[in-house]
Order: sequence, then C-alpha cells, then structure tokens
Amino acid sequence: NAGVTQTPKFQVLKTGQSMTLQCAQDMNHNSMYWYRQDPGMGLRLIYYSASEGTTDKGEVPNGYNVSRLNKREFSLRLESAAPSQTSVYFCASSEASTGQYFGPGTRLTVT
Amino acid sequence: SQQGEEDPQALSIQEGENATMNCSYKTSINNLQWYRQNSGRGLVHLILIRSNEREKHSGRLRVTLDTSKKSSSLLITASRAADTASYFCATLLYSGAGSYQLTFGKGTKLSVIP
Repeated sequence: NAGVTQTPKFQVLKTGQSMTLQCAQDMNHNSMYWYRQDPGMGLRLIYYSASEGTTDKGEVPNGYNVSRLNKREFSLRLESAAPSQTSVYFCASSEASTGQYFGPGTRLTVT
Repeated sequence: SQQGEEDPQALSIQEGENATMNCSYKTSINNLQWYRQNSGRGLVHLILIRSNEREKHSGRLRVTLDTSKKSSSLLITASRAADTASYFCATLLYSGAGSYQLTFGKGTKLSVIP
C-alpha cells in the first residue's frame, strides 16, 4: 500500500517550457488535490477533484491545468512555466471531510 | 487567502516540556485539522476535531476548539526530539456539490532540544 505517489521528485525547467506532474493514490479515495508550498508559507490549493470526472479551481489556479484521468490518478500541467511557479508541489487525497493523505512532493525550479 | 493563522511562528523547547501552538481562523468551519511536516517531506495528518467538538485527544496530542472565538490549540505533552517539525492547522469548508476545501495556515516551527 504505497499511499500517494508523485513523480518526478525534482524538476528544473526553463521559462516557457511545459511539464506534467503525476499523482496516483491507491486508497480508493474520491477526492484529490494539488497544492503548492512556498518558503515560510502554508499550502495553497491550486485545483481539486471531488470525484472522478470533476475538477474545480482552488485559491491559485492561474497558469495550471489538471486532469482527473481516473479514480487513482490526478495530474497537474504547467503549459508555459514561469519563475513564479518555482515551488514545492504536493498532491493529496481524501474521503470527503476526513483528513488528507499527502504525497512526498515535487520540487520544481523554473529558471 | 489563508484562513488559519498559527501562533507562535516558531517555538523552541527542551525535551520533556510541553508545547502549545495556537490557531485562529476567520469563517465558520466544518472541522479543523492539524498536520505535521518534517523538513523536506509531505504533510502528515495528526488529528481532526469537528465543529461540534470542544476537545480531542490522541496519544500525546490534545486539541481544543473554541468556535465562539474561532480558535484552536494543539498541545504536545512530554515532547521528544522527534517532534521537531512544522505544525499546520487547516480548516475544512464545504464548497458545494459534495466537495470540501482545506485551507492551511503558515505553520509553527517547533524545535525540541535534546
């Protein structure tokens, strides 16, 4: 039982490049989330998916897109990376109003 | 915008002492959760307290919730060096259509000195 897995663990992009962050969970949770964490800050919600087939914007969705591929997988895409998107990205999953389970994070640097 | 605000931002104590962290929030909530984050790692869920509960215990953790003051506290008793981490409170709000959003504070950085 791996919980929540994320790939890659580290990534360096040049401004304007695109990439997709992958997330998968094996706990059969309906809800999945993408957050970013900047130094000295808490987590800010980018996008979430309450159930398979639905996605909604969070607090900071600009510059990102998501896909809920199936119940297990929820990907985050940066179409044209900017230095302001340098951050640590966390994926999480949960059942409705219960606690969330987090992945190990992806450290992204955009130069 | 961040719903929860933790206080203090940083706390340094000796092993064996108790650590208390506070959280204030702005709007009505469904529940409030506390998470721990070790350096460079993902967050780990510690404890959840519902809006109709006032106190909850889990091992060495004690959480209180005062909805009239919109505040919560996390007490870690008999702290250990392994408790060194950042602690975040997060408030859960129902956002419609069966979905919930969790909003995090900026965290309290706890250092437990052996």
